[in-house]
Amino acid sequence: NAGVTQTPKFQVLKTGQSMTLQCAQDMNHEYMSWYRQDPGMGLRLIHYSVGAGITDQGEVPNGYNVSRSTTEDFPLRLLSAAPSQTSVYFCASSNGPGQPQHFGDGTRLSIL
Amino acid sequence: KQEVTQIPAALSVPEGENLVLNCSFTDSAIYNLQWFRQDPGKGLTSLLLIQSSQREQTSGRLNASLDKSSGRSTLYIAASQPGDSATYLCAVRFNTGGFKTIFGAGTRLFVKA
Repeated sequence: NAGVTQTPKFQVLKTGQSMTLQCAQDMNHEYMSWYRQDPGMGLRLIHYSVGAGITDQGEVPNGYNVSRSTTEDFPLRLLSAAPSQTSVYFCASSNGPGQPQHFGDGTRLSIL
Repeated sequence: KQEVTQIPAALSVPEGENLVLNCSFTDSAIYNLQWFRQDPGKGLTSLLLIQSSQREQTSGRLNASLDKSSGRSTLYIAASQPGDSATYLCAVRFNTGGFKTIFGAGTRLFVKA
């Protein structure tokens, strides 16, 4: 009964470091998305994918890369971390645009 | 630009009161609208999903309505309880631009015992 699994749950980085946030879902969902949530704000879409091999940019894509080589996994890469990327990151999946989105528990990322 | 706005930003009510949370969106070309609950420090829990062809959805004490032409949705909570205290988020999936989902900033609800 895993659903959407995000790892790690917490991470502290130094400015300029790179890292990959992992997201995996076991529901065979085609649609997957990455969001960030900052205090007092709703979630903002970073990147999304409508199937393996297909990705597109959301509202705030700068500084992030994604790839979708399998249906199950949708990793988010920070190329050179900046303090402005300190946030809580959520991954979501759905079985098509008309279906409800299911969210992971989030990754809390702090960049010093 | 596609935007989603939630009013009020915060709301405090006594236990037992019925209440309405509002969500408005700027583009009527939507695919669906989803209401979520978020507890502090936690992820999002889906409450209700309304397709663009529907007018309302109900689950227990919750009722969500959708008026696409006016760009509005409401979440009605009946007989509120302290356990309903959380942030409620509205998310709109638009038809254009690749089915992107835009979130409102949320309404923080506090139900007093």
